[in-house]
Amino acid sequence: TQLLEQSPQFLSIQEGENLTVYCNSSSVFSSLQWYRQEPGEGPVLLVTVVTGGEVKKLKRLTFQFGDARKDSSLHITAAQPGDTGLYLCAGAHTSGTYKYIFGTGTRLKVLA
Amino acid sequence: NAGVTQTPKFRILKIGQSMTLQCTQDMNHNYMYWYRQDPGMGLKLIYYSVGAGITDKGEVPNGYNVSRSTTEDFPLRLELAAPSQTSVYFCAGGEGGATEAFFGQGTRLTVV
Repeated sequence: TQLLEQSPQFLSIQEGENLTVYCNSSSVFSSLQWYRQEPGEGPVLLVTVVTGGEVKKLKRLTFQFGDARKDSSLHITAAQPGDTGLYLCAGAHTSGTYKYIFGTGTRLKVLA
Repeated sequence: NAGVTQTPKFRILKIGQSMTLQCTQDMNHNYMYWYRQDPGMGLKLIYYSVGAGITDKGEVPNGYNVSRSTTEDFPLRLELAAPSQTSVYFCAGGEGGATEAFFGQGTRLTVV
């Protein structure tokens, strides 16, 4: 059972456009992370959110954790070709031990 | 800094063969994880460990075994390789909680 659903699955946009990626679950998470993965590499952490309603910004990227801590979004403003990659959300439960469950992934391609 | 190191980087196995994917970390992480990533998809947790001598199953543990005799090493064993185990395998280390997981570069395994 996939606990974290991401949408859209694929996204191809022109440079300069804005986009939003969603990460949804029926479960409550104690924390949620967003990673970006380049081809042939392991995922690299972008941000961690822990408080319901929390908003974090990383340059042109804005991350939000839902009030109920069941969902999150990643918004990219004025996308650039360097933003191309696979974006993954990962949620952790505090049921004894931390183990991160990853979402289905959103593959983004930004065209110059 | 080496971080999390996986070997081998590539491997082709015949059905029924066995092998061990090696993972070692020099960051003194208590938590270590094994994930598999099928083409274009997110990561699925196979096994994880919260410290030497302690391991637990993740989402997709069938067909795999792990051990954690030291803090540094967390090998993943495939006893009877099957085509369904063709995937890219990632090892990661971290401190659990809302902290970053550091990933290795992956092992691309093909079972034919």
